[in-house]
Amino acid sequence: SQKIEQNSEALNIQEGKTATLTCNYTNYSPAYLQWYRQDPGRGPVFLLLIRENEKEKRKERLKVTFDTTLKQSLFHITASQPADSATYLCALNQAGTALIFGKGTTLSVSS
Amino acid sequence: DAGITQSPRHKVTETGTPVTLRCHQTENHRYMYWYRQDPGHGLRLIHYSYGVKDTDKGEVSDGYSVSRSKTEDFLLTLESATSSQTSVYFCAISEGGDYGYTFGSGTRLTVV
Repeated sequence: SQKIEQNSEALNIQEGKTATLTCNYTNYSPAYLQWYRQDPGRGPVFLLLIRENEKEKRKERLKVTFDTTLKQSLFHITASQPADSATYLCALNQAGTALIFGKGTTLSVSS
Repeated sequence: DAGITQSPRHKVTETGTPVTLRCHQTENHRYMYWYRQDPGHGLRLIHYSYGVKDTDKGEVSDGYSVSRSKTEDFLLTLESATSSQTSVYFCAISEGGDYGYTFGSGTRLTVV
């Protein structure tokens, strides 16, 4: 069966450290993968997209990698801040339909 | 969220009653989606639309119907609400392709 898994439900790190979140998938061949941020009581907000032929994408303190052989994406936040505390969702496309989302990883950054 | 609004924001309804949630966009995007979000399940696709009067089912479509008579509006109807449909419902819009989705603020629905 098809699965998309974000390995950690929760991740706690100290301010200034790099947070690394993992997204694994099985039985999909996505053309791209997206990452979203969701704050409590709000809808998800799009952050980054990475295509299957891209190994890495960066945006300010964010970095995403995509390994189609391992069927894995890593999402990094460098120099993390308490304001980065939120739930982060990965999502991938399934041809002919809509995005499929992982359950998310809740990141807590302590000062 | 800019360009997309959901109504109502909160609703409490009784089992067996019909309920309609509305999603309105001002972005003229072709694609619109309804997801529900539940603890332990994450976001799950209910229905989506790829144009006026063009809709298709998602992963959890049973008990739900949708309509899209205008580009800007996508309605989600629970014909006879059940307690298992208590959830937070999110609408999203997209230009298609690999563009990111823009989500609404959600509707918290409680079926008692």
